[in-house]
Amino acid sequence: DIQMTQSPSSLSASLGDRVTITCRASDYINDYLNWYQQRPGKAPHLLILAASTLQTGVPSRFSGSGSGTDFTLTISSLQPEDFATYYCQQSYTIPWTFGQGTKVEVK
Amino acid sequence: EVQLVESGGGLVQPGGSLRLSCAASGFTFSDNWMHWVRQAPGRGLVWVSRISRDGRTITYADSVKGRFTISRDNAKNTVYLEMNNLRADDTAVYFCARASLTVFGAIIFDLWGQGALVTVSS
Repeated sequence: DIQMTQSPSSLSASLGDRVTITCRASDYINDYLNWYQQRPGKAPHLLILAASTLQTGVPSRFSGSGSGTDFTLTISSLQPEDFATYYCQQSYTIPWTFGQGTKVEVK
Repeated sequence: EVQLVESGGGLVQPGGSLRLSCAASGFTFSDNWMHWVRQAPGRGLVWVSRISRDGRTITYADSVKGRFTISRDNAKNTVYLEMNNLRADDTAVYFCARASLTVFGAIIFDLWGQGALVTVSS
């Protein structure tokens, strides 16, 4: 199975901060990397697909980059609704696997 | 409204069984593969199983293989997860998710249900 490792596991940030989350795959996954946001008690919500394409309706302050094994999710200016947990997920090979999550908290 | 609604969760004893349902509405259900993903309390997301549009291709995570059975009824717009021989480590919120194929050739989970809590405890 391909292991997905996110860093950091959690971070504290203030409104307006630029936030960067990294995700590393244990094997090559091309750009078959998706990012999801999950608010407490809610289902995950797709943010970015294919490493860098914004899902329809997602604010442009979110961006993704990377290919191969190393990927990044960036929030350019943190908003109140962005305090949540973020997961990367590879869809290159079965079983689909997720990172352990990065919790973005209020500083 | 485009949505997935799970039902059937609850408390079950170790070794017991439970069947989850996920009812789809607002889209052509038979056009999409469907998946189950679970999340243990305070933990991350773990993929569980998938089923093809016509129900003929099925895949399971190793952790549930031989114990869980995924199925679908396209006439009822519903996907099921039959869970047998449940263990304490199966305790989780179970989400059904719609899979879509992007123009880039990647598969995404672009619609999720609200989740159904399954608690395995004596």
